[in-house]
Amino acid sequence: GEDVEQSLFLSVREGDSSVINCTYTDSSSTYLYWYKQEPGAGLQLLTYIFSNMDMKQDQRLTVLLNKKDKHLSLRIADTQTGDSAIYFCAERDAGGSYIPTFGRGTSLIVHP
Amino acid sequence: EAGVAQSPRYKIIEKRQSVAFWCNPISGHATLYWYQQILGQGPKLLIQFQNNGVVDDSQLPKDRFSAERLKGVDSTLKIQPAKLEDSAVYLCASSSLGNTIYFGEGSWLTVV
Repeated sequence: GEDVEQSLFLSVREGDSSVINCTYTDSSSTYLYWYKQEPGAGLQLLTYIFSNMDMKQDQRLTVLLNKKDKHLSLRIADTQTGDSAIYFCAERDAGGSYIPTFGRGTSLIVHP
Repeated sequence: EAGVAQSPRYKIIEKRQSVAFWCNPISGHATLYWYQQILGQGPKLLIQFQNNGVVDDSQLPKDRFSAERLKGVDSTLKIQPAKLEDSAVYLCASSSLGNTIYFGEGSWLTVV
């Protein structure tokens, strides 16, 4: 099975909060990332969290990490139409070659 | 700081033809990655370089794909001969050792 799993779609109304969830299997993960991909564009790093943290806030973005359950979430407050994109969760361990593993991405659709 | 540069942005070729993609990483980044992103999926690592040496190419289809980073800076990824299933976005990324990975905008390949 996949090492990183995400739900494929999320639809929210403009102004509401969005919560995108991710689960991972590698217990040695040290870095967990959220990337955003807009149509026709590459991946833009949104935020990341170290595994020794359980929360990180950056303006409208809040990342929550539950290491016990290997669950990561990204909350976007006051979601705007410009937030419509695909959001990828990725995890990386500290050993070996530092290669991150990506989920399949969650398509966030924001409607007026 | 300039980002990861890739070219060409778009390429359409017929099956069995060849194609080459070029990447210029962020200045000073020793690690360079090539990812393949098929529509609807997350990025999959093809090859990772540390300076001009290959760290991991276990998922590179070596019968048709090749990559090089001769002087430890720019890199090229070549596909010869291309198959229909190679239609994807080829993402180049770079990082300094152990740190966050930054992606280029990708090279979109369509094989017809």
